[in-house]
Amino acid sequence: GAVVSQHPSRVICKSGTSVKIECRSLDFQATTMFWYRQFPKKSLMLMATSNEGSKATYEQGVEKDKFLINHASLTLSTLTVTSAHPEDSSFYICSAPRGQGAVEQYFGPGTRLTVT
Amino acid sequence: AQTVTQSQPEMSVQEAETVTLSCTYDTSENNYYLFWYKQPPSRQMILVIRQEAYKQQNATENRFSVNFQKAAKSFSLKISDSQLGDTAMYFCAFMSLTDKLIFGTGTRLQVFP
Repeated sequence: GAVVSQHPSRVICKSGTSVKIECRSLDFQATTMFWYRQFPKKSLMLMATSNEGSKATYEQGVEKDKFLINHASLTLSTLTVTSAHPEDSSFYICSAPRGQGAVEQYFGPGTRLTVT
Repeated sequence: AQTVTQSQPEMSVQEAETVTLSCTYDTSENNYYLFWYKQPPSRQMILVIRQEAYKQQNATENRFSVNFQKAAKSFSLKISDSQLGDTAMYFCAFMSLTDKLIFGTGTRLQVFP
């Protein structure tokens, strides 16, 4: 069945560097994808909505220049954490609706980012 | 703005027993969707059950059922015949017709043998 993949599953980077996380829809096209952040033992907080062919829509309080989102194709959205700091360490999850106008979403397996 | 509240940070149940997880939400909208998601230790989010607000009948998926009280804005999840594999974080989520998912704070469920 259709799934969403994320790469990498884990990444460790040094403070001040940038790291890119990929979210791919497999076997289906996703004009919209969502990026969430989850702190340990906490809920998922929506960061931004990624729109294919246009700018992402960021939630209030999320720094656009810090978390760059690019939705270059109908199957790929990327989240780049720029100039990462230890406080950016978190679990990042993406999701995509099961089809155009679909209510239910497929979730990726998540990416654990650790900034040292 | 919509909010979702899960008042039980942790719950435990013995295998084969029944447990109910609570969820309340706040919205001024009339049409929306409610979900329960399961997040096991693998961290993969799994949809457990979904309810459309315009449907009065409570959704059921095998051992999982909901008690949807629209007037009270309550959406509880009942797990019958609990299994060890049900151990996970459970998130209640709200979505309006044209908006994004809003998650509750989660309930950690532990099923004991």
